Amino acid sequence: EAGVAQSPRYKIIEKRQSVAFWCNPISGHATLYWYQQILGQGPKLLIQFQNNGVVDDSQLPKDRFSAERLKGVDSTLKIQPAKLEDSAVYLCASSLDIYEQYFGPGTRLTVT
Amino acid sequence: GQQVMQIPQYQHVQEGEDFTTYCNSSTTLSNIQWYKQRPGGHPVFLIQLVKSGEVKKQKRLTFQFGEAKKNSSLHITATQTTDVGTYFCARPYSGAGSYQLTFGKGTKLSVIP
Repeated sequence: EAGVAQSPRYKIIEKRQSVAFWCNPISGHATLYWYQQILGQGPKLLIQFQNNGVVDDSQLPKDRFSAERLKGVDSTLKIQPAKLEDSAVYLCASSLDIYEQYFGPGTRLTVT
Repeated sequence: GQQVMQIPQYQHVQEGEDFTTYCNSSTTLSNIQWYKQRPGGHPVFLIQLVKSGEVKKQKRLTFQFGEAKKNSSLHITATQTTDVGTYFCARPYSGAGSYQLTFGKGTKLSVIP
């Protein structure tokens, strides 16, 4: 079975610019997560979707971050405007149930 | 979500030596999951422990869940260079009708050939 797909793999932008990340979860996985992983730390949940509805976005900086999951499949995460502290790897994960999460390869964002 | 503490943060071992990482929580856990992240890679699920005192083995890896379900450990026997990476434990928490994971900061393992 195909894994979680993410693009782009790398992105370099200047502060105050905007950026968008795309994720395609494993087919049939209703739950989709976006995580931020800063170097040397564990993944931190930003937002969780169940089908196309937001379940939890309490840790999403809503003044600059937004996410959507249209039709309950693909998802996009946007940052506008970016700050230096947004430099991190953005991981998308999907799950069929509560047993395990499958992570995509991530997008490494560098904000200069 | 409530935190889990992992120790040590870093571990350097000679190939063939054993390695252990510990995961501790101040509250009782319903279960604990372990993930491995290779350098430059993404987290990959290893195992979930659910029962008090549970011990599970995967080849050279032994996972334990404490009797009080507040701590867990991962032990690797006779490390190999393929074991290099960061090992995370993750605890679940439920909120707003959702089920999510809170990850520890991980233990980064380096294996010296």
